[in-house]
Amino acid sequence: KAGVTQTPRYLIKTRGQQVTLSCSPISGHRSVSWYQQTPGQGLQFLFEYFSETQRNKGNFPGRFSGRQFSNSRSEMNVSTLELGDSALYLCASSWGRTGTGETQYFGPGTRLLVL
Amino acid sequence: AQTVTQSQPEMSVQEAETVTLSCTYDTSESNYYLFWYKQPPSRQMILVIRQEAYKQQNATENRFSVNFQKAAKSFSLKISDSQLGDTAMYFCAFNNNDMRFGAGTRLTVKP
Repeated sequence: KAGVTQTPRYLIKTRGQQVTLSCSPISGHRSVSWYQQTPGQGLQFLFEYFSETQRNKGNFPGRFSGRQFSNSRSEMNVSTLELGDSALYLCASSWGRTGTGETQYFGPGTRLLVL
Repeated sequence: AQTVTQSQPEMSVQEAETVTLSCTYDTSESNYYLFWYKQPPSRQMILVIRQEAYKQQNATENRFSVNFQKAAKSFSLKISDSQLGDTAMYFCAFNNNDMRFGAGTRLTVKP
């Protein structure tokens, strides 16, 4: 079975721009969660999508949004980029919803650098 | 809000020795799940071990085992017979409504 894939792997943007990251979950997995990883804040939960609906959201501003398609693929969007948005963005998939104890399988991440 | 604390930012161990990584958490929930994830230098997070809070028996996965103390809200990871490939960041995670991660422990296995 193919693992979780994320595209692109690396991205350089400038302040004020917007960016869209993509995540393809493991086949059959219906839940996709997004995390931001930075040296200062560690791993922080962004949001979870399950069956095309956002089920849970972390403490991030509205500039961070996402969606999930009928094939469970997910995208996250960050508008009006700030320098502090530079981070590794990780996507994780699982069969069931987060909170049910399902193991999450992580992708390799997208490294975003905002200049 | 649930918080996860890993009090050891860095640890090192000699190859073939045993090492224990600490994790404590704070919650008022009684039903939850705990995980240890490993993130090698290549950056792909990998599940190490999983524990259901309602199970008293400590989870074991080959060389990896946990010491789960529910009353003390402690969930430590023991790695036996450490191998060079165990060098990685280790994250403790609490799962109830969402997934909360600790700050991580950087483990270096020395030859």
